[in-house]
Amino acid sequence: AQKITQTQPGMFVQEKEAVTLDCTYDTSDPSYGLFWYKQPSSGEMIFLIYQGSYDQQNATEGRYSLNFQKARKSANLVISASQLGDSAMYFCAMREKTSGSRLTFGEGTQLTVNP
Amino acid sequence: EPEVTQTPSHQVTQMGQEVILRCVPISNHLYFYWYRQILGQKVEFLVSFYNNEISEKSEIFDDQFSVERPDGSNFTLKIRSTKLEDSAMYFCASSEESPDTQYFGPGTRLTVL
Repeated sequence: AQKITQTQPGMFVQEKEAVTLDCTYDTSDPSYGLFWYKQPSSGEMIFLIYQGSYDQQNATEGRYSLNFQKARKSANLVISASQLGDSAMYFCAMREKTSGSRLTFGEGTQLTVNP
Repeated sequence: EPEVTQTPSHQVTQMGQEVILRCVPISNHLYFYWYRQILGQKVEFLVSFYNNEISEKSEIFDDQFSVERPDGSNFTLKIRSTKLEDSAMYFCASSEESPDTQYFGPGTRLTVL
């Protein structure tokens, strides 16, 4: 079974609107962390936001927030007030305590922000 | 802001040749990682490294791969005899502690002909 599932290969959003990128995960480990990374067309991987499994509140970093629903095993990324520069591939990743420090990535979602 | 750097940005090599990919992690980080991303596919973990030894490795990281910290700043990935299927983007990452957020470098695109 896939540990990280991103069901949206591509998403489109109008500039200045909000967009939600979906991520569901599968783990039996009670201790884990969830990450979102942005990969622009230039190829680098940029860390955006982190959510720990024991965190009581949803993580926020500027225009990025993580909608963490533990019972549903989902960790959706919400980008508010989209900008043209947000156009990129977005990857959800998980680190499980039992798997050491390795990150397991999803397939990614290609976000296009339209003017 | 400190960042992970990688050289070269693009490496082209012939099948069977050895390549060394270089990384300079963030200076106060102690944990280092290599990942790869085959074109159009997801990012895959290769290996993690701490205190001058491999702490874990994936099934991809077979005997043709090795890692080294030759000095106080560089972290290298060596592929001894490259295969066509080694063509990918290779990312180095580092973290201050483990577990902790991993910060990625810009990647080295390896093309094996």
